[in-house]
Amino acid sequence: EIVVTQSPATLSLSPGERATLSCRASQSISSYLGWYQQKPGQAPRLLIYDAFNRATGVPARFSGSGSGTDFTLTISSLEPEDFAVYYCQQRANWPIAFGQGTKLEIK
Amino acid sequence: EVQLVQSGGGLVQPGGSLRLSCAASGFTFSTYDMHWVRQATGKGLEWVSAIDTAGDTYYATSVKGRFTISRENAKISLYLQMNSLRAGDTAKYYCVRVSTWSKYFDLWGRGALVTVSS
Repeated sequence: EIVVTQSPATLSLSPGERATLSCRASQSISSYLGWYQQKPGQAPRLLIYDAFNRATGVPARFSGSGSGTDFTLTISSLEPEDFAVYYCQQRANWPIAFGQGTKLEIK
Repeated sequence: EVQLVQSGGGLVQPGGSLRLSCAASGFTFSTYDMHWVRQATGKGLEWVSAIDTAGDTYYATSVKGRFTISRENAKISLYLQMNSLRAGDTAKYYCVRVSTWSKYFDLWGRGALVTVSS
C-alpha cells in the first residue's frame, strides 16, 4: 500500500504571504496526485488534479507541482478564505490514500 | 440539481450492522465511479471503498471482509453495508462521485454520522 505523508501538520502564516505545502508518497505515483481544501463543516473541494492541473473555478493563486514521490501545493498570496485544512490524495494504485492533512492557520 | 443525498447513519453497538444509502440526482449515475470516504471527528479523510461502472469493487484494508459496497443504477443509489462494526469505525461517512475527466472526487454528499458504541 502507498502511504502519503503531508508536511507540515500545521502552517501559521499571515494573509498576503506565500504558502508551501508538501506531500510525499512512499513510492512513485507518477503525477496521480490531487489536492483538496476542506473548511470546517464542509465537504472537501478539489483544487488540483494530476499534480498541477487546477480544477474548475480554482483561483490562479493555487498551483501544484511535482511528480514521482514529492509534490507541492503553493498558494502565492494568501487570502482570508484560504485558511483551511488541505489534503493530498493519490490515485495511482489501490487502495486510494489521503495524506493526514495540513492545517493552514492565520498567524 | 446535481447532488448526493445520504441516509442511514446512527448509533450501533460494537459487532452490529448498519447500511448507508446515497441517492444521486441531476446526473447520469450509471456512468460514474462511486466511493465512500469517512472522517472521524477532528481527524483526516480516510478512503473506505469504491465501485466502478462495471460493478468492480475495492476496499480499504481496515474494512475488507466487513463492509460491502453496492449500487443499483435503476434506483440511482449507492450503498454501504457495514457489518461487525468496531469503535474505530465511528466517523462521518461521505458518499462521493469521481469526475469522469479529472478522475478525482468532484461531488460529495453531506455525510452520515455512524457512531459505534455500547
